[in-house]
Amino acid sequence: DAGVTQSPTHLIKTRGQQVTLRCSPKSGHDTVSWYQQALGQGPQFIFQYYEEEERQRGNFPDRFSGHQFPNYSSELNVNALLLGDSALYLCASSGPGNTEAFFGQGTRLTVV
Amino acid sequence: RKEVEQDPGPFNVPEGATVAFNCTYSNSASQSFFWYRQDCRKEPKLLMSVYSSGNEDGRFTAQLNRASQYISLLIRDSKLSDSATYLCVAYNAGNMLTFGGGTRLMVKP
Repeated sequence: DAGVTQSPTHLIKTRGQQVTLRCSPKSGHDTVSWYQQALGQGPQFIFQYYEEEERQRGNFPDRFSGHQFPNYSSELNVNALLLGDSALYLCASSGPGNTEAFFGQGTRLTVV
Repeated sequence: RKEVEQDPGPFNVPEGATVAFNCTYSNSASQSFFWYRQDCRKEPKLLMSVYSSGNEDGRFTAQLNRASQYISLLIRDSKLSDSATYLCVAYNAGNMLTFGGGTRLMVKP
C-alpha cells in the first residue's frame, strides 16, 4: 500500500512564476490537507480539501489555491511566487472519521 | 502569541538520559493532541496521541493537562536514534492540525 506521495520532490522557480504541486493520498483516505514548513519552523496549515471542495483555510493569501479531483488526489497552486514562499510543502491525508494524518515526503520549493 | 508553543531547544542529552518536552496551547476548544517526530529533511510522522489519562508507548510517555492547557512528552533511556525534532500538535474543530515550532533533541554517545 503506497502511502501519501507528492511530486515533484524538489523544484526551483523564479520570483513571479507560478507553481503546481501534486499529492496522491493514502489508499482509502478522502481528505487532503496542505502545509507549508519554512526552515526551522513547524508546518503551517494552508487549506484542506474534502469532496472536491475547500473545507478549511489557514492564514494564507489568495495566491495559494488548490483543487481536489474525484480520485481524491490534490494540487496546490501558488501564483506570483515570492522569495518567502521558499519552503517544504507537505501534503497530509486522513480517512473518514479519523484524525490521524499521514504525511507525504514533501516538495522542497526554492524561489530565486 | 502562537496557538501551540514549544521550547525550540536544542536539548543535548547523553545516551540513557531521561528528557522531557513541554508544550502549551491557547485554544481551549482543541479536541485532540499528538506528538509527531520529524527527522532532518523528512516528513513528520505520528509518534503518539496524547490523552488526559496519560499514555505510554515503550520508552515514551505523553500527558495532557486540560486545566493548564499543557502537554508533555517524556523519553526514558534516550537512544542515538531518538535524535530528531518533536512537534506538538493540536487538532481543532474544522479538521486542521496546528503545529508548534518543534523541539530539537540531540542524543550524544
